[in-house]
Amino acid sequence: SAVISQKPSRDICQRGTSLTIQCQVDSQVTMMFWYRQQPGQSLTLIATANQGSEATYESGFVIDKFPISRPNLTFSTLTVSNMSPEDSSIYLCSVEDRSGTDEAFFGQGTRLTVV
Amino acid sequence: AQTVTQSQPEMSVQEAETVTLSCTYDTSENNYYLFWYKQPPSRQMILVIRQEAYKQQNATENRFSVNFQKAAKSFSLKISDSQLGDTAMYFCAFMSRPGYALNFGKGTSLLVTP
Repeated sequence: SAVISQKPSRDICQRGTSLTIQCQVDSQVTMMFWYRQQPGQSLTLIATANQGSEATYESGFVIDKFPISRPNLTFSTLTVSNMSPEDSSIYLCSVEDRSGTDEAFFGQGTRLTVV
Repeated sequence: AQTVTQSQPEMSVQEAETVTLSCTYDTSENNYYLFWYKQPPSRQMILVIRQEAYKQQNATENRFSVNFQKAAKSFSLKISDSQLGDTAMYFCAFMSRPGYALNFGKGTSLLVTP
């Protein structure tokens, strides 16, 4: 299994500012995933972060808005830039356990409110 | 692209009863993985059960079992002896291969009543 520590757990931010969310894993993983969960909605993949290369973004998400860092095999950050109220969501990081179960593990999520 | 459909936005069941949550998916692949995740108000995503498409036997985890119909692309979750702690949002998810991201359905909000 993998234990993921995600910070902050919640934040209230002013529009136009940026917030960086951190995701720390207790084991080395190849791929880390960032999801957005808008209020009352399902999880939508923002991007896949592979250590040593640029993140791969899904349709509708761009690097200028959601820059991602992946400096090593246990850590990643997602920044939500130039925030607007429409960015108010839960953001979750996820990794996959490749030790045999192929189960995906999730951080606790960051509840972001933009005012 | 794979799509996952959960046609029941909300469901309710009495404690100790059995409830079935529906999920269908669309894919052209032959081997893949299916999951049910539970998300209580704490926001933590918790794996309930997983199924590998190449395994014909339906997965079972204690009170949770699935009915996997590969030809029909159906993957329903049955919760037996429902407990109040089962109250949560349940998401069906598809993974095309190990190391890939999950595609989630819209979720079913399950309420277990006393």
